[in-house]
Amino acid sequence: LAKTTQPISMDSYEGQEVNITCSHNNIATNDYITWYQQFPSQGPRFIIQGYKTKVTNEVASLFIPADRKSSTLSLPRVSLSDTAVYYCLVGGPLGGGYQKVTFGTGTKLQVIP
Amino acid sequence: NAGVTQTPKFQVLKTGQSMTLQCAQDMNHEYMSWYRQDPGMGLRLIHYSVGAGITDQGEVPNGYNVSRSTTEDFPLRLLSAAPSQTSVYFCASSYLKGSEAFFGQGTRLTVV
Repeated sequence: LAKTTQPISMDSYEGQEVNITCSHNNIATNDYITWYQQFPSQGPRFIIQGYKTKVTNEVASLFIPADRKSSTLSLPRVSLSDTAVYYCLVGGPLGGGYQKVTFGTGTKLQVIP
Repeated sequence: NAGVTQTPKFQVLKTGQSMTLQCAQDMNHEYMSWYRQDPGMGLRLIHYSVGAGITDQGEVPNGYNVSRSTTEDFPLRLLSAAPSQTSVYFCASSYLKGSEAFFGQGTRLTVV
């Protein structure tokens, strides 16, 4: 199972773009990269998922280089409500292993007014 | 559409008591799982199920049992509660392995 490494915490001012990088050196060929957001006292919420290059949705972008050994979650113009913990997971939608992946400690993003 | 529903939201148990945390989903998802989250830590997988009648252990299964008699329900049983099981428990479901997982609001359990 691919192990992921993320920064423990990050601070950002409101209105700035925030990039959170996740390392996953032993990612498997059929593994996807998924990011979740968790607010205090709530369950994690899916943000975005990708396999290679770039994926964008209404809340975030995910950049994955060609070697796929890392990925970067980009949050455009963060607001105070984006203060949360962000988790990077690696696993395969169609292969095995995803359901055995634990979340790790994630990156605690603090948005400052 | 209720999504994933966990009950109860809060529970206090005495050491040695048993109880069942309930989890139900109405999205016809095949995959369901239970996690525990301790203060300042990420989520650790307890048990998971890939469909009715099929369950498997996660990272921290000791002291917990699960069963999956229907697609909708995935209860987690604490056999003999211990203070080390004080935690917040989350249930999740997803349509496919690795696809978007939907989480319940959690059950905050305190064992005294």
